[in-house]
Amino acid sequence: EVQLVESGGGLVQPGGSLRLSCAASGFTFSFYEMNWVRQAPGKGLEWVSYISSSGGTIYYADSVKGRFTISRDNAKNSLYLQMNSLRAEDTAIYYCAREHSKVFDPWGQGTLVTVSS
Amino acid sequence: DIVMTQTPLSSPVTLGQPASISCRSSQSLVHSDGNTYLSWLQQRPGQPPRLLIYKISNRFSGVPDRFSGSGAGTDFTLKISRVEAEDVGIYFCMQATQFPITFGQGTRLEIK
Repeated sequence: EVQLVESGGGLVQPGGSLRLSCAASGFTFSFYEMNWVRQAPGKGLEWVSYISSSGGTIYYADSVKGRFTISRDNAKNSLYLQMNSLRAEDTAIYYCAREHSKVFDPWGQGTLVTVSS
Repeated sequence: DIVMTQTPLSSPVTLGQPASISCRSSQSLVHSDGNTYLSWLQQRPGQPPRLLIYKISNRFSGVPDRFSGSGAGTDFTLKISRVEAEDVGIYFCMQATQFPITFGQGTRLEIK
């Protein structure tokens, strides 16, 4: 079964850091592009970042550029999101999603990040 | 950035009746490779998003055939031929033709 499981969320103070992980199973992780998408409480979806299958191509949303870093370890079947200088507006559920030919499936269950003092 | 605008934002529907959601993009979603990367996602209460339709009209594996997508260029539609109770949730259109990837605001489907 294809599965994505996020972890690493929690409560952090403004200006703090957090590292999210996404563990992939049931498919050959190194073949697929990956994305992070977030959803603030009660709000819509916001794309955060993309990484190619090899990790050689990366894109970020302007709202996180310079603060967040996406990476992957194909040997460990894992995707990461290092989040620094966190702000209240970064509070959201963070989903990882597998991409193939610009189609997002599946999505993980998400991990909640709360930025608050 | 490409802005995706959905209408309506809320849609009360009677069970067994059809429903339709519109999505309009601020610019053409036709990619240089000739494909149009417009998808529809369903998010049931308390669940992550789930892919329903990709490249305008292709129903994803396991998606009931009461769901259909259509459109071209900048105007797209998701239709549910006969709404069932399990269809309650929020529906998002999404474009992946150009970075940044963007989503519509979401349409809440509820049962009357």
